[in-house]
Amino acid sequence: DAKTTQPPSMDCAEGRAANLPCNHSTISGNEYVYWYRQIHSQGPQYIIHGLKNNETNEMASLIITEDRKSSTLILPHATLRDTAVYYCIVRVLETSGTYKYIFGTGTRLKVLA
Amino acid sequence: KAGVTQTPRYLIKTRGQQVTLSCSPISGHRSVSWYQQTPGQGLQFLFEYFSETQRNKGNFPGRFSGRQFSNSRSEMNVSTLELGDSALYLCASSPGLQETQYFGPGTRLLVL
Repeated sequence: DAKTTQPPSMDCAEGRAANLPCNHSTISGNEYVYWYRQIHSQGPQYIIHGLKNNETNEMASLIITEDRKSSTLILPHATLRDTAVYYCIVRVLETSGTYKYIFGTGTRLKVLA
Repeated sequence: KAGVTQTPRYLIKTRGQQVTLSCSPISGHRSVSWYQQTPGQGLQFLFEYFSETQRNKGNFPGRFSGRQFSNSRSEMNVSTLELGDSALYLCASSPGLQETQYFGPGTRLLVL
């Protein structure tokens, strides 16, 4: 079962910041939050991940709340090419000691010209 | 560095047949995972291989199997194909078991 909840769709004006929320209220202390995006049925593209500190890379920023129950992916200046389905994923630690990515249904972001 | 490659990219089969899909991970990556993506079920984990051993398995029937070779390349096999097996099959590689996964473009399988 998915451990994340995301809004099904969002619109964002080109050039503006896109803020994509994600709830992961059952996350455990050592489980990472990952973000991927998928453009038009291509393979998912890695964006960013974090454990409890905020993270930034050349693509995006990830803000994780102090209680770790939610996070926000920020695309600072959205372009038309950022139109995609964005997946917030918790990397789950299994009882076997291995990890598994559990994908939810994602947010379909549409960047408008 | 070249990304994850999957072959073939598209495949059409009929019910009852079997199919083998191939995945070549990023150079130096030793872990390979497989996922099935359908419109109804979304992205679902199939299995993960590391050092030629299956380390993790999702909730799929035994018709779905895989293996990994000593060069880290992986294959997955689906026997006795059903219409519901029509999907995009994605392979992802990572340097090790607990590291970020990078996905290939997928193989789109259509079962008629």
